[in-house]
Amino acid sequence: DQQVKQNSPSLSVQEGRISILNCDYTNSMFDYFLWYKKYPAEGPTFLISISSIKDKNEDGRFTVFLNKSAKHLSLHIVPSQPGDSAVYFCAASAWGYGQNFVFGPGTRLSVLP
Amino acid sequence: ETGVTQSPTHLIKTRGQQVTLRCSSQSGHNTVSWYQQALGQGPQFIFQYYREEENGRGNFPPRFSGLQFPNYSSELNVNALELDDSALYLCASSLSDTQYFGPGTRLTVL
Repeated sequence: DQQVKQNSPSLSVQEGRISILNCDYTNSMFDYFLWYKKYPAEGPTFLISISSIKDKNEDGRFTVFLNKSAKHLSLHIVPSQPGDSAVYFCAASAWGYGQNFVFGPGTRLSVLP
Repeated sequence: ETGVTQSPTHLIKTRGQQVTLRCSSQSGHNTVSWYQQALGQGPQFIFQYYREEENGRGNFPPRFSGLQFPNYSSELNVNALELDDSALYLCASSLSDTQYFGPGTRLTVL
């Protein structure tokens, strides 16, 4: 049973437009969420995180939104750049629950020039 | 500041053999986690070490074992390799909430 879901395996966006990547989770104990970006032949690179006490966190072109009641989070990239083309993973954790990060299956983002 | 490094980069083994993968943490990080990433899937948590003690384990059998050394580097050992163990093995180090990943070791079991 997948506790973290990314229902879009792939997404294509034009350069300069907004990219929106979605993530849903089922475990209500999760209280910390992260997004990672992964290029081929490299390990995942940390992008941005959000704690369950917030509903939004921004870092430059990246914004993460958290809707706890819907158990949904999204990553917005504005404006999208060709270098953003990668696989994006959503991850969740429940500190104090004895559980490490649970990752979604990833969404492959292609930013077209 | 040195990032997380892993060795070897690639490895080919046959079914039934044993393998040891190595990870050097980012400087100052006292926690190391290991993940298995099968093709087309997200990383799956194997276990975590904090100051040389196992600090959490995912749904992996006992033939997956680990060690953390006083300098916080770590090893992942897998005994009695099975074909399904073929995957990318990722090590991540952390000091607080965020984990920083190494490039991974690609293990192929024939």
